Amino acid sequence: DVKVTQSSRYLVKRTGEKVFLECVQDMDHENMFWYRQDPGLGLRLIYFSYDVKMKEKGDIPEGYSVSREKKERFSLILESASTNQTSMYLCASSSIRGPNSYEQYFGPGTRLTVT
Amino acid sequence: DQQVKQNSPSLSVQEGRISILNCDYTNSMFDYFLWYKKYPAEGPTFLISISSIKDKNEDGRFTVFLNKSAKHLSLHIVPSQPGDSAVYFCAASGKNTDKLIFGTGTRLQVFP
Repeated sequence: DVKVTQSSRYLVKRTGEKVFLECVQDMDHENMFWYRQDPGLGLRLIYFSYDVKMKEKGDIPEGYSVSREKKERFSLILESASTNQTSMYLCASSSIRGPNSYEQYFGPGTRLTVT
Repeated sequence: DQQVKQNSPSLSVQEGRISILNCDYTNSMFDYFLWYKKYPAEGPTFLISISSIKDKNEDGRFTVFLNKSAKHLSLHIVPSQPGDSAVYFCAASGKNTDKLIFGTGTRLQVFP
């Protein structure tokens, strides 16, 4: 079974703090993704990585950066947290091979509150 | 511009009846469609998918229908069960990309 884990289920941070969200997958997947989920807005892609040290902006990258130093690990960084970044953050991974390459596997999510 | 739309934010269905969740898209280049199910405080889990070369895919109680001319897909759940109560997201992908574009979700409630 594919397993995607996220470092925290719940996180509370203050405005202006630097925040790190970590994601690890154990299936040797090439692709990793960071989304945020907000009511009425669905899942919106923040950043995407298709290989180590490679990244691509998603639909809402402003205020975020990412790091992928190892294949299994993809980090999302909020350089200076703001209240409008309060959200559910979801990490996902997918393989580029096989008939199910479109399918993304999600972690349990991190509920981040910025006060 | 929302390329994948789920116009019904919520749906309530009696146990044993059919649930029909709808999804519309605007990009005719999409070639693969997926449905995900999400419980509160959990990540989405893959449910069922369909390629654009098909018009129907079935897996147990779940069937997805694709109408390319109308740019519309639907998920049928029959019979509906209380454990099906969740938020359902449709997603689409095009050729030469590994990214998915998600709809806004429909909250399904199945009551006894």
